[in-house]
Parts: sequence; structure tokens; C-alpha cells
Amino acid sequence: DVKVTQSSRYLVKRTGEKVFLECVQDMDHENMFWYRQDPGLGLRLIYFSYDVKMKEKGDIPEGYSVSREKKERFSLILESASTNQTSMYLCASRVSRDRGPDSPLHFGNGTRLTVT
Amino acid sequence: QQQVKQSPQSLIVQKGGISIINCAYENTAFDYFPWYQQFPGKGPALLIAIRPDVSEKKEGRFTISFNKSAKQFSLHIMDSQPGDSATYFCAASMRGGWGKLQFGAGTQVVVTP
Repeated sequence: DVKVTQSSRYLVKRTGEKVFLECVQDMDHENMFWYRQDPGLGLRLIYFSYDVKMKEKGDIPEGYSVSREKKERFSLILESASTNQTSMYLCASRVSRDRGPDSPLHFGNGTRLTVT
Repeated sequence: QQQVKQSPQSLIVQKGGISIINCAYENTAFDYFPWYQQFPGKGPALLIAIRPDVSEKKEGRFTISFNKSAKQFSLHIMDSQPGDSATYFCAASMRGGWGKLQFGAGTQVVVTP
């Protein structure tokens, strides 16, 4: 079974802090994703990495950056946390299969971040 | 702006009943339409998916119906069970898009005993 592990289940940070959310997958997947989940908005893509050191902005990248130095690890960075970044953050990974969409996303259980 | 519109936001169905969730899209470049199921405290997991070259796909009690001309697709849960109580998300992605999914807003389904 694919395992996607997010380092923290709950996180509370103060406005202006730099925040790191870590995600590790154990299946040698090429593609990794960061989504945020908000009630009534579903899941929205923040950033995507199709391979090591490669990244692409998603639909809502403002205020976020990412790092992928190793294949198994994908980090989401909030440069200066703000209250509107309070949300559930979900990491996912998938096998690449030549850019096609068919292989499923495997999600972690999420990190609930509260910014006060 | 949400590219995939999902309804209803929530629904309550009795055990044994049918749950129906509808989704609509505008972008004709979408060519893969999965449904994800999420239980409380867990990440979403793929439930069933369809491509637009078929009008229906069935896996056990779950069926996707797809109407390409109307740009709509729906999930039917037959003989709903309490264990089906979860949040369901429809999604869409494009060919060559690295599997990046555009999700609907989600539907919370509660199946009463």
C-alpha cells in the first residue's frame, strides 16, 4: 500500500511566522502535489512537482513556496503565515505514467493549520 | 472560480436508498473524471473514474453516468449503507496535465440506519 505521511496532524502558528509542512511518500512516485481543503471550496491545488527539483504553480500559489530536493519528500512553505491561510493542507503523490491522468492520487491524512 | 460545479452540498439518505451527486464542467479539454471518497480524519481516496468515451461505468454499488454533450456527470450510490457516509468529491483533469485535478466543492453524504 502507498503511504503518504504528513509530519503534523495539527499545527498552530502565529501571524508572520515561517511555516514548513512536510510530506513523505514511500512508493517512488514521480509526481507530488499540495492541495488545501476548505469547506464549500473543495480541494484547490497550491503547487505541483512532476519530478525532483521541478515545480509548477497551481491555482492558488500566492503566499506559498515549495521544495523538492529528494524524490520522496515535498515541502510546503508559508513564507509569512497569515490568518487566511488557516486551512487543512493535503499532500498527494502519484505515478507519472507519461503525463497522463489515469494513475490515482494517493493522499496523506492532512495537516490542519491554524494561524492566529 | 471553480471549474467543476458539484451539487448538492449535503444529502441524507436512508439505508438501502439511492444517493445521487451531480457535477458539471465547462472546459472541454477535460478528459478524465474521477470521484474521490473522504472519511473524517482521512485524505480522499479514489473511488471510481470515467473517461468521456463511455456513458456509464459501474463498480459494485457505485455508478458514474456521463453526459458529454451536457458536460455533466453524476455518481449514483445504490443500496446506500451507513459505511458509505463520507464526503464525495468529483474532479476532472486534462490530457497531458500530469494528473492535476480540479475538484468540486464536495458533497457530505449521511446514510441513516
